[in-house]
Amino acid sequence: AQSVTQPDIHITVSEGASLELRCNYSYGATPYLFWYVQSPGQGLQLLLKYFSGDTLVQGIKGFEAEFKRSQSSFNLRKPSVHWSDAAEYFCAVTRGSTLGRLYFGRGTQLTVWP
Amino acid sequence: GAGVSQSPSNKVTEKGKDVELRCDPISGHTALYWYRQRLGQGLEFLIYFQGNSAPDKSGLPSDRFSAERTGESVSTLTIQRTQQEDSAVYLCASSSRGGGTIYEQYFGPGTRLTVT
Repeated sequence: AQSVTQPDIHITVSEGASLELRCNYSYGATPYLFWYVQSPGQGLQLLLKYFSGDTLVQGIKGFEAEFKRSQSSFNLRKPSVHWSDAAEYFCAVTRGSTLGRLYFGRGTQLTVWP
Repeated sequence: GAGVSQSPSNKVTEKGKDVELRCDPISGHTALYWYRQRLGQGLEFLIYFQGNSAPDKSGLPSDRFSAERTGESVSTLTIQRTQQEDSAVYLCASSSRGGGTIYEQYFGPGTRLTVT
């Protein structure tokens, strides 16, 4: 069975500090990986995705993520956090035989201190 | 253009009553998904419609849950005899697929269901 683990339930950083949100997946073949952000009262918005090719992917809002097959990880990073980045972040995975069906992690709540 | 819309945005119902949740996907999107998000949890897959194919119902938690979709348009998720554990935000998403390529899922704002 596939699973997605986000080990950090809640992270607090100061504005301007760097950020890394962790995501590990359990799946045998190459997965399709996504990061979504959910702001209060809003739906989920896709930040970035990895399907194949370059393992470092760039997304919107200055976010990037790196796929590391050896570690089964797809960590999300941002060099300098803004107060508006405070939100909940979800890592998700799907695979070829279940195209479209996303498996989500439990999410990481990000708080940004001014 | 218009995104995915869902109605109602909030629904409070008494235990044992039936509820219907509606999703309007983005026009032209062939795939439609329903997910459930319980408090403090990630999203849980419920059901997936793709064009005229038989839906993937493998995520529905019980036979009290059902969903329909007419063609490539509106979908309705129905929960019969609601229980308190059904309280959650129900999210709908749609995507455009073709040739085996995976496209982004666009999410609606969700319907918050509270069963009292």
